Amino acid sequence: EDQVTQSPEALRLQEGESSSLNCSYTVSGLRGLFWYRQDPGKGPEFLFTLYSAGEEKEKERLKATLTKKESFLHITAPKPEDSATYLCAVIGIQFYFGTGTSLTVIP
Amino acid sequence: DGGITQSPKYLFRKEGQNVTLSCEQNLNHDAMYWYRQDPGQGLRLIYYSQIVNDFQKGDIAEGYSVSREKKESFPLTVTSAQKNPTAFYLCASRPRTGLNEKLFFGSGTQLSVL
Repeated sequence: EDQVTQSPEALRLQEGESSSLNCSYTVSGLRGLFWYRQDPGKGPEFLFTLYSAGEEKEKERLKATLTKKESFLHITAPKPEDSATYLCAVIGIQFYFGTGTSLTVIP
Repeated sequence: DGGITQSPKYLFRKEGQNVTLSCEQNLNHDAMYWYRQDPGQGLRLIYYSQIVNDFQKGDIAEGYSVSREKKESFPLTVTSAQKNPTAFYLCASRPRTGLNEKLFFGSGTQLSVL
């Protein structure tokens, strides 16, 4: 069964405390993996697309990596404005979404 | 600016009432989607459309209906047959299906039952 699992469900970090979010997936014929950021009451905002194992993408304090079974979203020296829910999605036959990791960065 | 506009932002439904959520895009995308988001669950696909005057059911289509009379518009009707409609509804689009293109999302509509 195609599915996406994100961990942890929730993460609280002190400002400046680096960490990683995990997205593990099982999907037939992976065609791409996507990371989105979602603020409360708003639609998801696109961050990264990864297509093949070994690929990495960076944007400011965020870095996304991909292996054959999982992806990591590394957050370096986070700031309070990084607080949000981070969603992972994969596309096989259709899009499959994880349940998200709710990140809170404490000043 | 190009984007997806969803309205209203908040909507309340009375028992036995049908309500319609609006979704308009000016990105010239062929494919449009409706997702439902509940706390603790991933986004679930309700309906999608790849071209005008054509649409397909997603995983949770029961109690919902859609139309695609114009490329720019993909309204979703939540019918009285949907017994648990309270959720956050997201409209999305992308250039075409069959490609590895990301989804673009609207800002969502929160539907609640009175």
